[in-house]
Amino acid sequence: EIVMTQSPATLSVSPGERATLSCRASQSVSSNLAWYQQKPGQAPRLLIYGASTRATGIPARFSGSGSGTEFTLTISSLQSEDFAVYYCQQYNNWPLYTFGQGTKLEIK
Amino acid sequence: EVQLVESGGGLVQPGGSLRLSCAASGFTFSRFAMTWVRQAPGKGLEWVSAIGPSGGTTYYADSVKGRFTISRDNSKNTLYMQMNSLRAEDTAIYYCGKVESYVVDSWGQGALVTASS
Repeated sequence: EIVMTQSPATLSVSPGERATLSCRASQSVSSNLAWYQQKPGQAPRLLIYGASTRATGIPARFSGSGSGTEFTLTISSLQSEDFAVYYCQQYNNWPLYTFGQGTKLEIK
Repeated sequence: EVQLVESGGGLVQPGGSLRLSCAASGFTFSRFAMTWVRQAPGKGLEWVSAIGPSGGTTYYADSVKGRFTISRDNSKNTLYMQMNSLRAEDTAIYYCGKVESYVVDSWGQGALVTASS
């Protein structure tokens, strides 16, 4: 099983600032990496797939990078609606998806 | 607009059974693989099962293999999950998802399953 590890567990950032979230895979997943956003009481929402491609309707302030085992999600200028939990997911072994444990992005 | 609406959740005693349904609309259901992902209270996301577009191929996480059965009825645009021998650790919100290019691009609102005496 491919293990996904996210860091940090919690990230405190002020609105308007940049947030950088990390995700590491226990073995190479190539670019088969997605990011999801989940707000309290809501279902996850797809943000990024293919490590760096924004999903339909996702603002340009969200960007993804990386390949192999190291990945990053960057939110360039945090808006109030961006404070949520973010999960990375590998699909290199589709459909045996594995998710990271999540990073909670909170208001500083 | 893609819509996925889960139903069938509820409280069940350990060892009991439950069947979840996921009604799909807004896309050609028979063309896409579908999946179930669950989330225990206060925890992260865990993949549970997936099924190919025709229903001919199915996949399960080890944690549910032999107890859960995924199926679909393309004539009714509906995905199912039959859950037997439920355990306390199966307590979670169960989300159905549409799979496009191997990622879950649309999610339902979730159905809560509670296995407790």
